[in-house]
Amino acid sequence: GAVVSQHPSWVICKSGTSVKIECRSLDFQATTMFWYRQFPKQSLMLMATSNEGSKATYEQGVEKDKFLINHASLTLSTLTVTSAHPEDSSFYICSARDISLTDTQYFGPGTRLTVL
Amino acid sequence: GENVEQHPSTLSVQEGDSAVIKCTYSDSASNYFPWYKQELGKRPQLIIDIRSNVGEKKDQRIAVTLNKTAKHFSLHITETQPEDSAVYFCAASIRGNKLVFGAGTILRVKS
Repeated sequence: GAVVSQHPSWVICKSGTSVKIECRSLDFQATTMFWYRQFPKQSLMLMATSNEGSKATYEQGVEKDKFLINHASLTLSTLTVTSAHPEDSSFYICSARDISLTDTQYFGPGTRLTVL
Repeated sequence: GENVEQHPSTLSVQEGDSAVIKCTYSDSASNYFPWYKQELGKRPQLIIDIRSNVGEKKDQRIAVTLNKTAKHFSLHITETQPEDSAVYFCAASIRGNKLVFGAGTILRVKS
């Protein structure tokens, strides 16, 4: 149980294009999902908290107009990187919190984004 | 906001020895402390967690201790094996809310 999937697993795009990443909880319901960014050899940095049916809460320094988050259902959240630039290249990982287990977060496999 | 510090940044041990990784946190309201293991290019995997109403928790070769007064918690791995080699992250949160991660510890188990 407690499986979180992400799609795509990797993507290469041209500078200026937008990329959408999906995060799904496969066998549980998640009222809250989290989006992290991880640069090589660094820790996970929280970008935003995604709540089903409401606006996402962004961390300080994260541009909400650049990183669009939608949490339309209890099993799906999407992150869209708009007008991507090379500095946006990173490993993006989502996590989902099982509503029946208030604390535990389960992570998706991550999406490797490379912007040329 | 919460700040989590993790030490050491790298740790090399001989197979069979024990490994200890320590974290401190700043927000006394934090009450949930998970540990994650991450292999290169893969997702973080929850290996053990502890809540503030417990001082110690053990799961086979892995144990976590929590000192709320000092605001620090530690991961203990006994009888280390080469497959334990990975990056380990501690984290802290206020129940159900966002996790704040430590910087990570690269553990190398030499056979």
